[in-house]
Amino acid sequence: SQQGEEDPQALSIQEGENATMNCSYKTSINNLQWYRQNSGRGLVHLILIRSNEREKHSGRLRVTLDTSKKSSSLLITASRAADTASYFCETGLTFGKGTMLLVSP
Amino acid sequence: DVKVTQSSRYLVKRTGEKVFLECVQDMDHENMFWYRQDPGLGLRLIYFSYDVKMKEKGDIPEGYSVSREKKERFSLILESASTNQTSMYLCASSLLAGGTDTQYFGPGTRLTVL
Repeated sequence: SQQGEEDPQALSIQEGENATMNCSYKTSINNLQWYRQNSGRGLVHLILIRSNEREKHSGRLRVTLDTSKKSSSLLITASRAADTASYFCETGLTFGKGTMLLVSP
Repeated sequence: DVKVTQSSRYLVKRTGEKVFLECVQDMDHENMFWYRQDPGLGLRLIYFSYDVKMKEKGDIPEGYSVSREKKERFSLILESASTNQTSMYLCASSLLAGGTDTQYFGPGTRLTVL
């Protein structure tokens, strides 16, 4: 099965800074999705990017996709303490292990 | 808004017990999924269903079975619970085929098997 792998495993930043996390996968995809999970809760969908798209924006989120490198990145700009969560990429029902983001006030 | 509910947030069972985890969605979605989530391993797909009475094995179906008698309800069954099934269980649903559409998740059930 396809495998998304996020990098880094953990990221700690200050409020106002930008956070970038990356995802790599192994096989061809139709689309790639990013989800957020607050501690001990279910996942919430953030953004979907299709294989023919290179970049997509949603509010403070920017996602890029490079199918030649089989990788995607999620950028959160002007981070807030409320962005503290784990972030997962998903391709074809396969989730990565996630990046744990800690945003300190 | 799509709402996916799971029958329990926390559950404690004994080894050998039969365990039922229930999931209900209210958006008439065709597809439903069960995952388990473990530290360091991420989410792993146990089973999914694309229609009533239909089911497909995911990556780790061993020790589990599922039931989908009604479109809105998808049950995960642990026939004889074991300690290595202690985990967070997440249910999800989607309108279109899995992997091509947004999944909506329930809040999760944290199961402890003693």
